[in-house]
Amino acid sequence: QSALTQPASVSGSPGQSITISCTGTSNDVGAYNYVSWYQQHPGKAPKLMIHKVSNRPSGVSDRFSGSKSVNTASLTISGLQAEDEADYYCSSYTTNNNWVFGGGTKLTVL
Amino acid sequence: QVQLVESGGGVVQPGRSQRLSCAASGFTFRSYGIHWVRQAPGKGLEWVAVIWYDGSQKYYADSVKGRFTISRDNSKNTLYLQMNSLRAEDTAVYYCARDMIRGTIYYGMDVWGQGTTVTVSS
Repeated sequence: QSALTQPASVSGSPGQSITISCTGTSNDVGAYNYVSWYQQHPGKAPKLMIHKVSNRPSGVSDRFSGSKSVNTASLTISGLQAEDEADYYCSSYTTNNNWVFGGGTKLTVL
Repeated sequence: QVQLVESGGGVVQPGRSQRLSCAASGFTFRSYGIHWVRQAPGKGLEWVAVIWYDGSQKYYADSVKGRFTISRDNSKNTLYLQMNSLRAEDTAVYYCARDMIRGTIYYGMDVWGQGTTVTVSS
């Protein structure tokens, strides 16, 4: 199972919006709506930010939103804040009863 | 509070075995699927394995299939990962993580442990 494809890095200024893409195949992202997004700060465990493509767990800011089109999922962060600077990973359930992560995207808040 | 705590990491020689544990508290452990996810130094997340809430089904990444075994003891609120024939490329921080919806393994991982480090080196 190949990793999902994410850009290695994205950046934005405070207050701006950024979008991180996550491209898979018809065997993972395109097969189900079981796409999740995670935020990871250095030295910390990942934190679930989005589940089932576009759903925010309780306590996650509404500045975070998710979407999907065919084999590509996206995470949008609006109103960028300094504390959003972190690594972001997408993940998808697959037709092989496995999970696959993306390679990760480093978000820099300028 | 809802918590997962991993243990059992350390330095192990190539070809040897190691067993990791993940102790759960603050929720009904027997109702949730649980995953193992690892992260090699400076690298991204890699899904390793998952076990259904009742232990009836288990699935593995190709990279560990046949070498690693996931299991659970619901009477002890504990998850395990038996790792055999360890390789240098298994060196990573190993996290256990709960699937967020009772009785499934599909929705995403909402509770994570702090991780335990396994280093495979001679």
